[in-house]
Amino acid sequence: DAGVTQSPTHLIKTRGQQVTLRCSPKSGHDTVSWYQQALGQGPQFIFQYYEEEERQRGNFPDRFSGHQFPNYSSELNVNALLLGDSALYLCASGSWVINEKLFFGSGTQLSVL
Amino acid sequence: QKEVEQDPGPLSVPEGAIVSLNCTYSNSAFQYFMWYRQYSRKGPELLMYTYSSGNTADGRFTAQVDKSSKYISLFIRDSQPSDSATYLCAMHQGAQKLVFGQGTRLTINP
Repeated sequence: DAGVTQSPTHLIKTRGQQVTLRCSPKSGHDTVSWYQQALGQGPQFIFQYYEEEERQRGNFPDRFSGHQFPNYSSELNVNALLLGDSALYLCASGSWVINEKLFFGSGTQLSVL
Repeated sequence: QKEVEQDPGPLSVPEGAIVSLNCTYSNSAFQYFMWYRQYSRKGPELLMYTYSSGNTADGRFTAQVDKSSKYISLFIRDSQPSDSATYLCAMHQGAQKLVFGQGTRLTINP
């Protein structure tokens, strides 16, 4: 049983560019959330998707957007990249019924130059 | 003031020692408390999960929650070099929003 899978594992972009990160949830899970983890810090909640809708959002600007597909997979899009967007981006999946129990993928390491 | 405070360490102990990791929090509405383990360049792995106050044990790991003091702990007994990782406490704030501590980097020396 595959866990949460994310792609790509590493990405290098330049300031002002746009990036798309992808996530497939663990089998049986129907909700996906995204977190940003800066070096030496704990993950910070970006937003959550359920039934293809954004359900809750953290304190992130509109440059951060997402999408959930009918097969529960999800994308995170970041526009107009800033140097400060360099971080590990984590996808977490869970069940809408047991929302607090999350399982994380290995993340996408994004470097903005 | 951060909602969740966690000493970042680093913490270094000899193999076999009992390890105690702690977090404090300010939001009394938190009901679910988690500990995640994160190895270098990997995603966090759910280690312990506790609802409200009390203890939860799983093998060498014990999690304690004291809601009256807004204080949670993770104890690791008979620590092993493979336990070397960053340990993150997390609190549930609704939907899939977890509020994490900064993480404590732990090294177990053989």
